[in-house]
Amino acid sequence: DGGITQSPKYLFRKEGQNVTLSCEQNLNHDAMYWYRQDPGQGLRLIYYSQIVNDFQKGDIAEGYSVSREKKESFPLTVTSAQKNPTAFYLCASTRGAVRNQPQHFGDGTRLSIL
Amino acid sequence: SQQGEEDPQALSIQEGENATMNCSYKTSINNLQWYRQNSGRGLVHLILIRSNEREKHSGRLRVTLDTSKKSSSLLITASRAADTASYFCATDGPMDTGRRALTFGSGTRLQVQP
Repeated sequence: DGGITQSPKYLFRKEGQNVTLSCEQNLNHDAMYWYRQDPGQGLRLIYYSQIVNDFQKGDIAEGYSVSREKKESFPLTVTSAQKNPTAFYLCASTRGAVRNQPQHFGDGTRLSIL
Repeated sequence: SQQGEEDPQALSIQEGENATMNCSYKTSINNLQWYRQNSGRGLVHLILIRSNEREKHSGRLRVTLDTSKKSSSLLITASRAADTASYFCATDGPMDTGRRALTFGSGTRLQVQP
């Protein structure tokens, strides 16, 4: 079955540590997105990528970094500069880099600080 | 920026009743989408309505869009306990920027009592 796989499901970060969240899709989608969701809140856009080797900052990019070396992969690194990283992180993809397509989501990674 | 705002924030109904959720947004759009999120999971796309459409149906779902009031509503008829989830609207605005991503609202948490 085609879909988006996020790993790990739970992740713990120590002070001063960078951690990387994985997002892989086998839907052959062009565009991929990273969102942050805080408890009881909506989704806020961190970064998105419309094509390989290109990405754009979203609304809350500070303290995060991404890469898009392969079409199917869009990893997110939460750096030590992100002082409040505890949240639920969701990855999504769409067919075509357009805004009139449904987004397909993974099941998220929950990040906590040790 | 928070483009979509859902109302109410939380809704509790009995099985068999109808549930209505509202979404207001601030800028011009080409389309509006509704998503569902079960607790601890990713979002699932429900329906997309274009700016030139006023109403759309999908099974027990009915979505309306009033671009003059910048608002949309999602109606779930004959609700079931399995409809318990959070529901989010997402818009593709604002249209006058280079942003190629959706903006999500803060969601309505629906509880359907059996």
